[in-house]
This record gives sequence, C-alpha cells and structure tokens, in this order.
Amino acid sequence: KNQVEQSPQSLIILEGKNCTLQCNYTVSPFSNLRWYKQDTGRGPVSLTIMTFSENTKSNGRYTATLDADTKQSSLHITASQLSDSASYICVVSLLTGGFKTIFGAGTRLFVKA
Amino acid sequence: DVKVTQSSRYLVKRTGEKVFLECVQDMDHENMFWYRQDPGLGLRLIYFSYDVKMKEKGDIPEGYSVSREKKERFSLILESASTNQTSMYLCASNPGVENTGELFFGEGSRLTVL
Repeated sequence: KNQVEQSPQSLIILEGKNCTLQCNYTVSPFSNLRWYKQDTGRGPVSLTIMTFSENTKSNGRYTATLDADTKQSSLHITASQLSDSASYICVVSLLTGGFKTIFGAGTRLFVKA
Repeated sequence: DVKVTQSSRYLVKRTGEKVFLECVQDMDHENMFWYRQDPGLGLRLIYFSYDVKMKEKGDIPEGYSVSREKKERFSLILESASTNQTSMYLCASNPGVENTGELFFGEGSRLTVL
C-alpha cells in the first residue's frame, strides 16, 4: 500500500533553534518528493522538490534530504523564525501514466518567542 | 505568480442543502483538483480534471460531483450535504502530466454542515 508517514505529529521549538522533520514513505514507483509549507488558514506552498537521484536540496533556511534506499526524507529548518510556524507536508508522486500523489498528514510546527 | 482563487473561505450549511464550491485559476493550467483536508489525515483527492468537460474520480468521490465547463474554472458540488462533509476543501491546479508535479493551491474553503 502506498503510504507517507510523517513524524513528529507536532513540534514546539524556541525561536532561533534548529529542527528536523521526518518523512517515511512506501510508494512505488517513485517519481519525486516535495515538501510543502501550509500556513494556518492558507493553502500549501511548495518548498522543495527532489527526484530519485537527488539527496539534498536547499531553499534558504530549509534543507531537504532524501535517502531513496531507505525511503526516508527529512526537512531541516535552521535558525527558526516565528514565521516558520506552520504545517509541513511531505508529498510523494508516483511515476505512473497518470497523476498520482500521496500526501503525508503533516507536522505542525510551533515556533515560540 | 499562479493564482488559484476559491470563491468562499467559510461556509455554513444545513444537512441536505446543495453546496457549490467554486475555484478559478489564471495560469491556463490543464489539470485541476479538489481535495479535502481533515485533522490527522493527509489531503485526500476527491476529483480531478485534466481537460474541459473531463473528470476523473479520486480516492473519495462519494457524495461529491464536479463540473469543468471552462478551462479556468472547476466546481465541486455537494448534492445533499451531510455532517461528515464538514471539512476544509482545497482546490489546486497544475500545468500538465509532463511537469514536475507541483500543485498550486487556493486558500481553502472551510465548510461546516450542521
């Protein structure tokens, strides 16, 4: 069964600290993996995309990693800011003739001053 | 920038009412999608459309229908709303199947069915 599991479910950190969010997937055939950020009351916005051959991708203070062998990805946030408070959703797309995407349930991050 | 606009941010309806959720995108995207988002669950695909007047069922189509009469507009219809359809509904668009798969989302429509 194609699944995407994220951990932790929620996380509270102090402003300025780093954190790492995890994503494990059992999706096949794999096409790509994206991390989305969803601010409260808004739609998700793409942060990074990684294909099978990529193992690191950065977008400012966000760095995503991908281990295609263990089917794990992480999103590392450096020097967190209050504006990083949001849900982070891991999304895996399948390499099929159509369009198939599996969403994780998300990690809710709270950054405290 | 891609703009996906959902007409209603918040709706409150009664059981049995017919509900229309409208979505418009301004980037000439081929594909449009309707998802629902519930706490603790990933986004679940209700329906998608890859062309005008074309539609495909997603993972949870029961109780919903859709309409795509124009390329830029994709409507979600709840023929007879029920309390278990209380949810956040997200519309998304995407240029086509050969792209990287990025979805561009609207702001969401939070529906409460009493």
